Amino acid sequence: QLQLQESGPGLVKASETLSLSCAVSGGSISTGNYYWGWIRQPPGEGLEWIGNIYYSGITYYNPSLESRVTISIDTSKNQFSLKLSSVTAADTAVYYCASFLRSGSKFDYWGQGTLVTVSS
Amino acid sequence: QSVLTQPPSVSGAPGQRVTISCTGSSSNIGTGYDVHWHQQLPGTAPKLLIYGNNNRPSGVPDRFSGSKSGTSASLAITGLQAEDEADYYCQSYDSMSGHVVFGGGTKLTVL
Repeated sequence: QLQLQESGPGLVKASETLSLSCAVSGGSISTGNYYWGWIRQPPGEGLEWIGNIYYSGITYYNPSLESRVTISIDTSKNQFSLKLSSVTAADTAVYYCASFLRSGSKFDYWGQGTLVTVSS
Repeated sequence: QSVLTQPPSVSGAPGQRVTISCTGSSSNIGTGYDVHWHQQLPGTAPKLLIYGNNNRPSGVPDRFSGSKSGTSASLAITGLQAEDEADYYCQSYDSMSGHVVFGGGTKLTVL
């Protein structure tokens, strides 16, 4: 079974760029069966989909974040990454990476999540 | 404002049955896209609970079941247990936007 692990700074200054990585184990990130996604959850709030990436590099982003988001993939390292630019306090959240199975369009495995706080 | 609408909270006593609704539209659930449910226990990451409207991953008790009709879906939990206290999220796909959509989440309280 797949395992995903987020990593990156827990504190980012306002107006700077948030950068996170997600290491995938238990399977190849290059499998055509999956997209790889990022989801976030502000404290006390619900889940918000950020975007997905395919091993070929094709990306899909939430329109509300699209102008600030870049998701990339490194198949040689079996990991994918998230960059969110010009962050504000509203971007403070737990960020999850997850595997998105194409068959059925569902997130089936989630990372444990990492809290990113935006400071002023 | 989530694309999929869920009640903010539901509650029930141990042993009872509760249901959580997830209402979408003709561009997501109503188009035929599957609905999936994720369970988030306090302080933990979400976990896939029901997939493809009514299927349980290995290890999920049969007390949990899902259904879908028209533009809505439901999650039912029978024989409620204290350990079921969690947040529950429905998830689908929206053809109008071409994107993944989540419900706003429902907090289940076991009385």
